[in-house]
Amino acid sequence: NAGVTQTPKFQVLKTGQSMTLQCAQDMNHEYMSWYRQDPGMGLRLIHYSVGAGITDQGEVPNGYNVSRSTTEDFPLRLLSAAPSQTSVYFCASSTDSYTQYFGPGTRLTVL
Amino acid sequence: TQLLEQSPQFLSIQEGENLTVYCNSSSVFSSLQWYRQEPGEGPVLLVTVVTGGEVKKLKRLTFQFGDARKDSSLHITAAQPGDTGLYLCANTGNQFYFGTGTSLTVIP
Repeated sequence: NAGVTQTPKFQVLKTGQSMTLQCAQDMNHEYMSWYRQDPGMGLRLIHYSVGAGITDQGEVPNGYNVSRSTTEDFPLRLLSAAPSQTSVYFCASSTDSYTQYFGPGTRLTVL
Repeated sequence: TQLLEQSPQFLSIQEGENLTVYCNSSSVFSSLQWYRQEPGEGPVLLVTVVTGGEVKKLKRLTFQFGDARKDSSLHITAAQPGDTGLYLCANTGNQFYFGTGTSLTVIP
């Protein structure tokens, strides 16, 4: 099993550009989530999904969209990148809402 | 939004020393988890505590959950360089709330 994979590992965008961060898991987990991590602020939940076709907002959803068309994939879309979205993004999955397995992260810089 | 405060924010100690880090919440935890995150990696779950007063041990790590389920501590005995990392606490549920973390450096 590859676990949770994220692509790309690094990305630089200009303000106003859009992009999609990819997340995939091969553990057949129903629960998936996206976090951002900023210095001194821990991990903050952006969006989460409890199964295919079901998504909900987390603590900091503005500027981000998600969809869950399959159990395996949970992409995160930045609609119009802003410098405030410079961060490290982590995707996680779990069989329930307890034991989360995190991906290696995507480091995003918005200029 | 649940606020989780961790202290200290930074900790640098010599190999072999003992240390304790703390996690305090503005409200009662449903259950609490501790994670360790190494540089360039995602967090890895260390333990889940559920019951007030619960104590769990994982080799040299001892986790304690407060009786009122609003605070927790992580004690490391005889710290080793491999313990270096960011320690995060989190409240569980559909929406996880993470603390700000304690960055630990163990100097050989």
